[in-house]
Amino acid sequence: AQSVTQLDSQVPVFEEAPVELRCNYSSSVSVYLFWYVQYPNQGLQLLLKYLSGSTLVKGINGFEAEFNKSQTSFHLRKPSVHISDTAEYFCAVSDQGAQKLVFGQGTRLTINP
Amino acid sequence: DGGITQSPKYLFRKEGQNVTLSCEQNLNHDAMYWYRQDPGQGLRLIYYSQIVNDFQKGDIAEGYSVSREKKESFPLTVTSAQKNPTAFYLCASRSGQGAPGSSFFGQGTRLTVV
Repeated sequence: AQSVTQLDSQVPVFEEAPVELRCNYSSSVSVYLFWYVQYPNQGLQLLLKYLSGSTLVKGINGFEAEFNKSQTSFHLRKPSVHISDTAEYFCAVSDQGAQKLVFGQGTRLTINP
Repeated sequence: DGGITQSPKYLFRKEGQNVTLSCEQNLNHDAMYWYRQDPGQGLRLIYYSQIVNDFQKGDIAEGYSVSREKKESFPLTVTSAQKNPTAFYLCASRSGQGAPGSSFFGQGTRLTVV
């Protein structure tokens, strides 16, 4: 069965500092990978996705992620964060051809001024 | 504008009462999903439906029921058999055409047992 592990439940960083949110997955088949952002009391919004092709994926709000098949990782990065990036971030995986997403536990990103 | 609408935003339930959460989409998506979100546990799949008049149990279906009579609508009923229903519930839809799409989410319903 698939699983997703987000290695940090909380990540505090200072404004304008870089950030990396870590995500590892387990699957025996080819996968699709996603990062979502959730602002308080709202639904999830897609940040970026990896389906195939280039392993470096660029998303909205200046975020990017790199798919590493050998390490089964899909870490999310941003070179300089803003106060407005304060939110919870979820990594998700889906087998190719599957109709279900499996989510990680989430990482709460807190930006300090 | 296309999107997913969940209602109500906040819902209070008494012990032993059934309640129904609404989810409507106008994205013409075939697949719809219900997730439950608890702090520190991410999202867990309750039920999903890939086509009208068909649905499958997810990982935590006990105490819940759904119907899919119309493509646009996928209501979730939280029954009295669900022992710990207080949570944030999210509905999502996904296009199944061509290359895999990505799930679109509603704004959620926060259910509290009083």
